[in-house]
Amino acid sequence: NAGVTQTPKFQVLKTGQSMTLQCAQDMNHNSMYWYRQDPGMGLRLIYYSASEGTTDKGEVPNGYNVSRLNKREFSLRLESAAPSQTSVYFCATARGWTNTGELFFGEGSRLTVL
Amino acid sequence: TQLLEQSPQFLSIQEGENLTVYCNSSSVFSSLQWYRQEPGEGPVLLVTVVTGGEVKKLKRLTFQFGDARKDSSLHITAAQPGDTGLYLCAGFLHTDKLIFGTGTRLQVFP
Repeated sequence: NAGVTQTPKFQVLKTGQSMTLQCAQDMNHNSMYWYRQDPGMGLRLIYYSASEGTTDKGEVPNGYNVSRLNKREFSLRLESAAPSQTSVYFCATARGWTNTGELFFGEGSRLTVL
Repeated sequence: TQLLEQSPQFLSIQEGENLTVYCNSSSVFSSLQWYRQEPGEGPVLLVTVVTGGEVKKLKRLTFQFGDARKDSSLHITAAQPGDTGLYLCAGFLHTDKLIFGTGTRLQVFP
């Protein structure tokens, strides 16, 4: 089983360009998350989806949009990339509908905006 | 600013020393978790604490949840080089919404 798969793993964009980060899971989990991690820092929640068909804002949603395409897939879109969005982006999943569940993470997608 | 503040931000110690990492907030959390992250990988769960005042032990690691459920600590006894990594606390604000702390980077030298 692959677990949580993120694509692409690396991407370089110019300011103003758009792109979509893809996340797919084969764990049959209900909840999915997008976090960003800046160098030497903790993770900040961008958006999350508690179940198929629902999405909610996290701590830093500005400049991002998400789509919960189906139970397996949760995408993160940058419509007009800015240098401040240079970061490592992590997708995570959890069984969901609980406040004690374990999150399982992908390997991360490293994005550089020039 | 992040809702969960960790201290210290960096910790560099010799093998065999003890250490404590703190995770503090002004908000109440329904539960709190600790994760460890290795370079180039996603975080991995170490423990979940749910009840105020709860103490959990995982070999040489001891985790405590504050009585008011606003803070937590991680104590490592006799640290080893294999404990090196980024330690992250994380709290559920409500069902499904998990936010992370600012992180503590630990380096243990042989």
